[in-house]
Amino acid sequence: DAGVIQSPRHEVTEMGQEVTLRCKPISGHDYLFWYRQTMMRGLELLIYFNNNVPIDDSGMPEDRFSAKMPNASFSTLKIQPSEPRDSAVYFCASSLSGPYNEQFFGPGTRLTVL
Amino acid sequence: AQKVTQAQTEISVVEKEDVTLDCVYETRDTTYYLFWYKQPPSGELVFLIRRNSFDEQNEISGRYSWNFQKSTSSFNFTITASQVVDSAVYFCALSENTNAGKSTFGDGTTLTVKP
Repeated sequence: DAGVIQSPRHEVTEMGQEVTLRCKPISGHDYLFWYRQTMMRGLELLIYFNNNVPIDDSGMPEDRFSAKMPNASFSTLKIQPSEPRDSAVYFCASSLSGPYNEQFFGPGTRLTVL
Repeated sequence: AQKVTQAQTEISVVEKEDVTLDCVYETRDTTYYLFWYKQPPSGELVFLIRRNSFDEQNEISGRYSWNFQKSTSSFNFTITASQVVDSAVYFCALSENTNAGKSTFGDGTTLTVKP
């Protein structure tokens, strides 16, 4: 079975542009997580979904960030407008239901905002 | 609230040395789960081990071993006879039964194993 798929793997954009990151979770997993990783702040949980419903978005930095999960096999994280401080690696992860289940991480999207 | 502390930001050892990565956690739940993940230079986080709060038995997997002690709220990770390929960032994480699905990660420990 394929792992978590993220696209694009690398994104370079200019300040003010809209950026959309995409994620396909592992089939059958009902939890999906979006993380951001930077040197300064480490690994931060931005938002997570259970059965396509957002459960906790308290980690979303500000209104410029939004995430959707229109179906069980697809999620997007959008930044509009992007700023240089948004430069980071964004990970998507999925897991089966239950706190005892490990998370499976995608390869990440390295975002650079110039 | 759940919290995970990895006090060691960076550790550097020479190949074949043993190294222990510390993890201390805080939780009010009696049922919880602890995890270790590895992030090699390639970037992807990989699950290593899971432990539940009712199982304090230590675990060994090859050169890796884990020591879970509820009395000190610690879940430490030891690599025996370290190798260059062990160089990575290691994350400890906690998941509470009452907060199903959400894990809190520590800040990670960067391990460098020199040849």
